[in-house]
Amino acid sequence: SQTIHQWPATLVQPVGSPLSLECTVEGTSNPNLYWYRQAAGRGLQLLFYSVGIGQISSEVPQNLSASRPQDRQFILSSKKLLLSDSGFYLCAGPQGDYGYTFGSGTRLTVV
Amino acid sequence: RKEVEQDPGPFNVPEGATVAFNCTYSNSASQSFFWYRQDCRKEPKLLMSVYSSGNEDGRFTAQLNRASQYISLLIRDSKLSDSATYLCGRRGGYQKVTFGIGTKLQVIP
Repeated sequence: SQTIHQWPATLVQPVGSPLSLECTVEGTSNPNLYWYRQAAGRGLQLLFYSVGIGQISSEVPQNLSASRPQDRQFILSSKKLLLSDSGFYLCAGPQGDYGYTFGSGTRLTVV
Repeated sequence: RKEVEQDPGPFNVPEGATVAFNCTYSNSASQSFFWYRQDCRKEPKLLMSVYSSGNEDGRFTAQLNRASQYISLLIRDSKLSDSATYLCGRRGGYQKVTFGIGTKLQVIP
């Protein structure tokens, strides 16, 4: 079965600093992958999805970017963080007909 | 109108009670729906998939009403351990899932 790994678990970064969050997948090949953000008191918002290496689709305009350098690697980045980038970042991949499997998430606080 | 809407609650219910949540969706072409459970500061975990005939898993029953465009989750004999936020999701193109804001359940001793 598919396993999604994310790190770090928590991150505190100053405004204006860069960001790189990594997601890796085990147990499947060429999966669709997704980055979501859950801001405090808000729902899960889809940020990016990828159907393959080098293929990225952005769902909402924002200060973030994503890359898929390898089949099982999905990276979320920012050149300069904003306070509004704070939130719980989750990587997800489809689990057959059973919705998604999520990684354990990264809680980002921008200060 | 949001694609997927839920009452955020909280729903405070005593142990042993039956509680039901609804989730409405706006895209009538949607085929696949899910209920997820999210514990505080944790990732969501799949609770149940919901298909046209609905399904049951122990104390949990999920139903789909296509005519009225909503799905429901029924929890019988609530346990303290059921306290969590319940998210509904609708799967669309590219297997993208759109989630509701989640309904918070607090089961009280």
